[in-house]
Parts: sequence; structure tokens; C-alpha cells
Amino acid sequence: SAVISQKPSRDICQRGTSLTIQCQVDSQVTMMFWYRQQPGQSLTLIATANQGSEATYESGFVIDKFPISRPNLTFSTLTVSNMSPEDSSIYLCSVEAQDRGYEQYFGPGTRLTVT
Amino acid sequence: TQLLEQSPQFLSIQEGENLTVYCNSSSVFSSLQWYRQEPGEGPVLLVTVVTGGEVKKLKRLTFQFGDARKDSSLHITAAQPGDTGLYLCAGLISGTYKYIFGTGTRLKVLA
Repeated sequence: SAVISQKPSRDICQRGTSLTIQCQVDSQVTMMFWYRQQPGQSLTLIATANQGSEATYESGFVIDKFPISRPNLTFSTLTVSNMSPEDSSIYLCSVEAQDRGYEQYFGPGTRLTVT
Repeated sequence: TQLLEQSPQFLSIQEGENLTVYCNSSSVFSSLQWYRQEPGEGPVLLVTVVTGGEVKKLKRLTFQFGDARKDSSLHITAAQPGDTGLYLCAGLISGTYKYIFGTGTRLKVLA
């Protein structure tokens, strides 16, 4: 399995500001994913980030609000822009091991609170 | 819209009891994963089931994939307080690399 770290682990931000979350993997992976988990709820996929191409966003999520970078095979960032209290969530990155039937492994998450 | 419904949503039991969590959908999945998530952490993969009817055991946990690959169950024998957490199933959408996550089951095992 891959070892995934995220920074920051948590943050409290003012509405209208932006926060960039970093995701680092200890091995090269093709596909990385960003999820949102609202308090007490399950995971919702925000976007898929492949190295060398534009991120693919799921319905309800747009690039202007959640720009993503994927500069290499071990790193990605997700920015939450122009934040509002509704953006308060846990943001998780994950990777898939294609050689293991697309099994997914998750980072520890970033807990964001917007005031 | 593909949905994965888990039941029950909440479960509070005494140590030593048995329990079963269900994960149901009307969609067929290429494979299905079960995760456990503890507060402040990301989900941790417990098992992947791939073949319809497949049964996998992980110590006191037994996972089954439905014959039609639309549903799954997780059975825990003699639950322990360390089993407390949020259990999530996730189905790999056929023909894609995307997973859809279940609604979650929050388990609390009391000592």
C-alpha cells in the first residue's frame, strides 16, 4: 500500500479566503483523487487528478472553486477558493493501485473549518 | 445516479455481540471495498471483494459479495471496543476507475 501525507492536517479560515491542501505520496501513482467528507457523512468525489492533464471534476464541483494541480507523479494540491461556511469539511486525497485491482488508499485528511 | 445504501446507519452494541452491516445497490460493481474510518483519520482499507459470491475473512470480520455483485455484507463476530468506527463500503463503477461510497455505518462497541 502507498503512504500518503496531507498538509495541513487542519485549519480554521475566514470566509472569502482560499486554502491550498497538499497531498504527497511515497511512490509514483498515475491517478490521484480528491474527496470531500462533510461532518458525519460519507465521501463525495470532487475530482480526479492525472499527471500531465487537466483534472476531471464531478458533477457539482467546478475548477474555479476547487483548482487542482498535479505537477508530478507523487504530489497534488487542491485549493478551496473563496470559502464559505458550507465548505467546512474534511478533504481527503487518495491514490489507486492499478496493479492491485484499483484498490484505493487514503491520506489522513485535512479538517477545514470556515468561520 | 448510482447509490450505495448502508444499513444500519448507527449501531451501538455490547462487547462480545455479533453484528452485520449491509451495503446495497441497484448497480453492478466490478469490485467492492470495505473501509473503517476513525475520528481524525482517513479511511483504512479492510478488504476488496471482486467475484460474485466471494467470501473473505479477516480475523473476526467476514465479508461477502453478492452473487450479482450489487450488494455486500460485513459480519463481525464477538465485537470489541477496538472495532468502533465508521464503516464504509465503496463500489468500483464498472468500466471506470471511480468508486462510489456508501452512506456509512457508525458502530460503537461498549466495553
